[in-house]
Amino acid sequence: KQEVTQIPAALSVPEGENLVLNCSFTDSAIYNLQWFRQDPGKGLTSLLLIQSSQREQTSGRLNASLDKSSGRSTLYIAASQPGDSATYLCAVTWSTGNQFYFGTGTSLTVIP
Amino acid sequence: GAGVSQSPSNKVTEKGKDVELRCDPISGHTALYWYRQSLGQGLEFLIYFQGNSAPDKSGLPSDRFSAERTGGSVSTLTIQRTQQEDSAVYLCASSLAPRSLQNGELFFGEGSRLTVL
Repeated sequence: KQEVTQIPAALSVPEGENLVLNCSFTDSAIYNLQWFRQDPGKGLTSLLLIQSSQREQTSGRLNASLDKSSGRSTLYIAASQPGDSATYLCAVTWSTGNQFYFGTGTSLTVIP
Repeated sequence: GAGVSQSPSNKVTEKGKDVELRCDPISGHTALYWYRQSLGQGLEFLIYFQGNSAPDKSGLPSDRFSAERTGGSVSTLTIQRTQQEDSAVYLCASSLAPRSLQNGELFFGEGSRLTVL
């Protein structure tokens, strides 16, 4: 069964701290993995897309890594800010089926 | 358009009524997805359109749900005889490339919040 898991469900950190969000997935034969953020009452905003042939992607203070063999991806956020407070979701697509499979997200609160 | 556009943003209806939700994907995007997000739940896949291919309807929860995509662009999700358990946020997403090309960054709209009384 293809599943995506995100732990912890919630995380609270003081402003300025570096942090790591985790995403685990069954079956290493993925096509790609995408990280999103969702603000309350809003849609999902794409942060980073990692294709199966890539090991990491960077955008500003964000760095996402992919380790297919261990079925894991991490989203590293440097020098966290209160504006980073949101729910972060990862989504994986596999060779079978057409859908993106989503984790249930990590709710991040950055305390000023 | 500049982004994925969904309408209405909010819809309140009475149990048993039919509703239509609209999605206008990013211009040129061939792939279109509908997802449902219930309170406190993850995203549930509903349906996928790719170009002129037959849609993947494997996620539709019942035959009360249907969707179409006209001219390879705008999509409409229809829920007939709505039930209270249909209350959720319905999210539409589009991508430029077919998923199988190992690309296809997904872009979401703001969603349509459906409340069934």
